[in-house]
Amino acid sequence: EVQLLESGGGLVQPGGSLRLSCGASGFTFSNYAMSWVRQAPGKRLERVSGISGDGGATYNADSVRGRFTISRDNSKNTLYLQMNSLRPEDTAVYYCAKGDLGYCSGGRCYYLDLWGQGTLVTVSS
Amino acid sequence: EIVLTQSPATLSLSPGERATLSCRTSQSVSSYLAWYQQKPGQAPRLLIYDASNRATGIPARFSGSGSGTDFTLTISSLEPEDFAVYYCQQRSNLITFGQGTRLEIK
Repeated sequence: EVQLLESGGGLVQPGGSLRLSCGASGFTFSNYAMSWVRQAPGKRLERVSGISGDGGATYNADSVRGRFTISRDNSKNTLYLQMNSLRPEDTAVYYCAKGDLGYCSGGRCYYLDLWGQGTLVTVSS
Repeated sequence: EIVLTQSPATLSLSPGERATLSCRTSQSVSSYLAWYQQKPGQAPRLLIYDASNRATGIPARFSGSGSGTDFTLTISSLEPEDFAVYYCQQRSNLITFGQGTRLEIK
């Protein structure tokens, strides 16, 4: 079955860290770019990080640059998001999502044709 | 950053009626626009890509049109399961989303 399964969310204090994982199955993981997209209450979807299929190119939105790191282990079919220096405004449901292409090129990226069920990250004291 | 603006914010219709949702981009994205459906407690699901192509398994009552900066998602005859939130997304320059249109039962 083609699916993505996130884990690692939870409650963390401001300034703390979390690592999200996303296990993929049912497709050739290394062929596709992946992204982390978050949805905060009452706000639009925001793509916070992306990574090419071979892991050689990454993207981080301004809102998380320098704090979040996206990575992947193609031998384990797993995507990660290391989140450091967390802030209350990082509170959201985080989705991993599969791109329909292997990479972004010249700024032109991809659609997200498979999503995980989401994992809730709450940053609060 | 390309900003996407969806209208209306909320659309109240009855089953069987036709729904028309709009997405406008702050600069041209050619046809690099997608539509997603999100139901409560679920992840978004890709409906339409490249402005007018239905994704795998999407019923024919869903159609998309437009190019440049103005796009439309049309649901020809609403089924009960179509009441949800709909988002547009562009891929012309990175990835950004609209703020969503909530389609509710009248």
